[in-house]
Amino acid sequence: EDQVTQSPEALRLQEGESSSLNCSYTVSGLRGLFWYRQDPGKGPEFLFTLYSAGEEKEKERLKATLTKKESFLHITAPKPEDSATYLCAVQAGFKTIFGAGTRLFVKA
Amino acid sequence: DAGVIQSPRHEVTEMGQEVTLRCKPISGHNSLFWYRQTMMRGLELLIYFNNNVPIDDSGMPEDRFSAKMPNASFSTLKIQPSEPRDSAVYFCASSLTAASTEAFFGQGTRLTVV
Repeated sequence: EDQVTQSPEALRLQEGESSSLNCSYTVSGLRGLFWYRQDPGKGPEFLFTLYSAGEEKEKERLKATLTKKESFLHITAPKPEDSATYLCAVQAGFKTIFGAGTRLFVKA
Repeated sequence: DAGVIQSPRHEVTEMGQEVTLRCKPISGHNSLFWYRQTMMRGLELLIYFNNNVPIDDSGMPEDRFSAKMPNASFSTLKIQPSEPRDSAVYFCASSLTAASTEAFFGQGTRLTVV
């Protein structure tokens, strides 16, 4: 069964304290792995797509990496405005399966 | 472009009533998706359309749920009759094609069935 698991469920950081979020997956026929950011009361906002193991993408303080079994979202020197829920999703065929998300809190 | 537009933003209804959620996708996008988000189950795909045709509705929980896309600029998700366990946030998303990796989400409709 296709599955996406994110950890931790919640993460509390001090401003400037770098860390990583994990997304592990089991899926047949992976077409792509996505990271989204979701703010309270809003829809998910697209961040990255990764297609193959070894691929990396960066955007401001965020860097996403991919292996054959998992993906990491690295947050370097986070700021309070990075506080949000980060969702990982995998595309198998034309179906997208989301993980439960990691709620990130960054304190000033 | 204003993005994906959903209405209403909030809906409170009594059990047994019919509820209709509406979505206007981004102009030019050929694929449209309906998702449901709850604390317990996270974000679940209910159904998706490609070129106005329903492709996969295996996520629709019961026959009480139905979705239509009469044209490229409008879709509805209907629940009849509604039940308290249908309470959730319903999102509509669109993408250029079904194979597109980037989906754009609307602001969602928060449905409460009492």
